[in-house]
Amino acid sequence: DGGITQSPKYLFRKEGQNVTLSCEQNLNHDAMYWYRQDPGQGLRLIYYSQIVNDFQKGDIAEGYSVSREKKESFPLTVTSAQKNPTAFYLCASSDFGATTGELFFGEGSRLTVL
Amino acid sequence: QKEVEQDPGPLSVPEGAIVSLNCTYSNSAFQYFMWYRQYSRKGPELLMYTYSSGNKEDGRFTAQVDKSSKYISLFIRDSQPSDSATYLCAMERGSTLGRLYFGRGTQLTVWP
Repeated sequence: DGGITQSPKYLFRKEGQNVTLSCEQNLNHDAMYWYRQDPGQGLRLIYYSQIVNDFQKGDIAEGYSVSREKKESFPLTVTSAQKNPTAFYLCASSDFGATTGELFFGEGSRLTVL
Repeated sequence: QKEVEQDPGPLSVPEGAIVSLNCTYSNSAFQYFMWYRQYSRKGPELLMYTYSSGNKEDGRFTAQVDKSSKYISLFIRDSQPSDSATYLCAMERGSTLGRLYFGRGTQLTVWP
């Protein structure tokens, strides 16, 4: 089955620790995205990548880092510099050749900082 | 002012009711308008997609876009308990394909 796989689904972290969220897609999509979702705030874009070895900051990139070494993979690192990291993180991908520009989302990773 | 405004609800209706969900926006450059449905603890999935102004119907769902008023709507007819979810509107300028701007989402509950 084609889709996006995020792991882990739930993650607990102590303050001051970095944590990396995994995102893998087998849809052969060029573009990949990371969004953060907080209660009542909708989705906010953290980083996005349109091609391998290239990525751009979204609206709330501070305290996060990404890499895009392979087309299929776009891991997100939540660093200790992120002041309020507890949130639901969603990875998505899209196909530039599609008419709609539809985003396909993974099932999300819920990060809790203790 | 956020670029996309959406009332978060919650909205609670009986089964069979007509549901109206709305978003307003401020950026006139938006050309593509979408509605995503998100079930609890899941990722959003595309429900409806509209380009520019007009209506689009798909089964019990109708999406409307009024660019002159910067206002979009999603109507759900004969609502079912399985429609209970959060509905997110999203918009795109077209020049940045895939770079979507989302509303806050409206939480809908349809009770039997």
